[in-house]
Amino acid sequence: GAVVSQHPSWVICKSGTSVKIECRSLDFQATTMFWYRQFPKQSLMLMATSNEGSKATYEQGVEKDKFLINHASLTLSTLTVTSAHPEDSSFYICSARDGTGDSQTQYFGPGTRLLVL
Amino acid sequence: GQNIDQPTEMTATEGAIVQINCTYQTSGFNGLFWYQQHAGEAPTFLSYNVLDGLEEKGRFSSFLSRSKGYSYLLLKELQMKDSASYLCAAMDSNYQLIWGAGTKLIIKP
Repeated sequence: GAVVSQHPSWVICKSGTSVKIECRSLDFQATTMFWYRQFPKQSLMLMATSNEGSKATYEQGVEKDKFLINHASLTLSTLTVTSAHPEDSSFYICSARDGTGDSQTQYFGPGTRLLVL
Repeated sequence: GQNIDQPTEMTATEGAIVQINCTYQTSGFNGLFWYQQHAGEAPTFLSYNVLDGLEEKGRFSSFLSRSKGYSYLLLKELQMKDSASYLCAAMDSNYQLIWGAGTKLIIKP
């Protein structure tokens, strides 16, 4: 149980284009989903927290107009990187929290590698 | 402030036992998580402790002392595939995870 999928796995795009990444909880309802970014050999960095049906909460320094998050249902959240630039190239990972359990465990998707040329 | 400390890197021998320590300071506490992250992959959940004591799960065990703000992850009968980064994360009173920088574990034959 507690499987989270993420699509696509890999994205290569030209500078200036927008990229949408989907995160789905496959066998549980995720009241809260999280979006992280990780640069090579660095720690996970939380970008934003999203609750179903409400606006995402962004961490300090993360531009909400650049990284659009939509959490339209209890099983789906999307991250759109608008007008992507080479410095946005990174490993983007989502996680979903099963709000029904006691542990509040976050389960991670497999991640999306974004390369902006 | 909120803070998680864990060693940057550890080396151990195949078949041996290794203990990865983690100390934390958070505003409130709702549990301590350990995740494993292989290079180039997303983290996978290993364990969750909210009460003091040792939780055993196969070759992996996790310990928590709330009064000391301390946890460790114990890996027994090390295998080469255990080479990975191990992330400690504490959940604060707002149910937010405060992440450590991770401990890179290198297993040698």
